Amino acid sequence: EVQLVESGGALVQPGGSLRLSCSASGFIFSSYAMHWVRQPPGKGLEHISGITSNGGTTYYADSVKGRFTISRDNSKNTVHLQMSSLRTEDTAVYYCVKDWRWELSATFDYWGQGTLVTVSS
Amino acid sequence: IQMTQSPSSLSASVGDKVTITCRASQSIRSYLNWYQQKPEKAPQLLIYGASSLQRGVPSRFSGSGSGTDFSLTISSLQPEDFATYYCQQSFSNPRTFGQGTKLEIK
Repeated sequence: EVQLVESGGALVQPGGSLRLSCSASGFIFSSYAMHWVRQPPGKGLEHISGITSNGGTTYYADSVKGRFTISRDNSKNTVHLQMSSLRTEDTAVYYCVKDWRWELSATFDYWGQGTLVTVSS
Repeated sequence: IQMTQSPSSLSASVGDKVTITCRASQSIRSYLNWYQQKPEKAPQLLIYGASSLQRGVPSRFSGSGSGTDFSLTISSLQPEDFATYYCQQSFSNPRTFGQGTKLEIK
């Protein structure tokens, strides 16, 4: 059974930093691209970042480019999202999401339960 | 690419047939996915490639369309189908979602 478990969500002040982690199991982690999708409270979904299976290619939405960094450790079946210069508009539930391919096809076949990031003073 | 769903909300009864539409601002060929999200839960993939049913999804769900116009149909609503549905294009970056369609019980 595929499982994606996020951690690291917290309340942080504007301008602060946070690192989200996602622990994966139930599939060959090193064979699939991984993504982060976020959802502000009561709003829709936004794909913010992705990384190919070998970590060689990354994607960032314009809204987070230059502030967020995605990385993965295939030896530990984990993917991370390092977030800096956080803004109030970054407040959202952040989902770790599995791609159905090794490349950034952005068809999301499994989702974690999400972790809440709140940016507020 | 902007994705526009209609309607934004919909009231229906158990057993009804419902259709949700999604329009892309330019052609996305068949690179269209549908997701279901229940309250306080993560989205789940229902349909990929515009019309292919994800494994484990009931056959009452179907998708159609290509180019710019797509639809998701539920042939006979069940109580567990009341949720919010999102379309998403996987054709080009940024891979965008529609604003969602909330399906409520009448």
